[in-house]
Amino acid sequence: GQQVMQIPQYQHVQEGEDFTTYCNSSTTLSNIQWYKQRPGGHPVFLIQLVKSGEVKKQKRLTFQFGEAKKNSSLHITATQTTDVGTYFCAGGRPLRGATNKLIFGTGTLLAVQP
Amino acid sequence: DAMVIQNPRYQVTQFGKPVTLSCSQTLNHNVMYWYQQKSSQAPKLLFHYYDKDFNNEADTPDNFQSRRPNTSFCFLDIRSPGLGDAAMYLCATSRGAVAKNIQYFGAGTRLSVL
Repeated sequence: GQQVMQIPQYQHVQEGEDFTTYCNSSTTLSNIQWYKQRPGGHPVFLIQLVKSGEVKKQKRLTFQFGEAKKNSSLHITATQTTDVGTYFCAGGRPLRGATNKLIFGTGTLLAVQP
Repeated sequence: DAMVIQNPRYQVTQFGKPVTLSCSQTLNHNVMYWYQQKSSQAPKLLFHYYDKDFNNEADTPDNFQSRRPNTSFCFLDIRSPGLGDAAMYLCATSRGAVAKNIQYFGAGTRLSVL
């Protein structure tokens, strides 16, 4: 079945360092979404990428969708302690009825040391 | 203001004793999803409703059932909980359109099985 893998599984950085997580799908995706889940919390939507090669920025966060629409990355510049959490990519796969099934990646847990 | 509300936040049940988790939404979204998330893992889709149309995942055990009596409410029934069913159960909703199907998650119900 379709799989979405993320690397690394875990990253520990010093506050102020940069961080990147990579997401790879075994099949072409219709879109990619990124969610952040704080410890003990629930996934919260960050962004969606739809177009091949698309790049979007949210303050210190940069999201990229690969040309083949099979991979994506999230880069955080100058991490802060508030960035702590697990970052999931979620690949969209069209379903009947025009809805979209998300295949969640394995997640990357980010720890930031002050 | 919470838009996807799950009750209860914590549920303790006994091995084999049926349990029902509930989810309500104020977004008037077509699609409602149930996910199971175990510790340090990605959310795993159990099933979803597109309006009244129920869609089960192939690997969801028969022990898990769902009901959606109206647009706003959706229930997850676990007929005979086993120790392996202890997990966080997340409800999510989306509008259903392919390109705009951001999923909004509830805070989750953490289920313990004794």
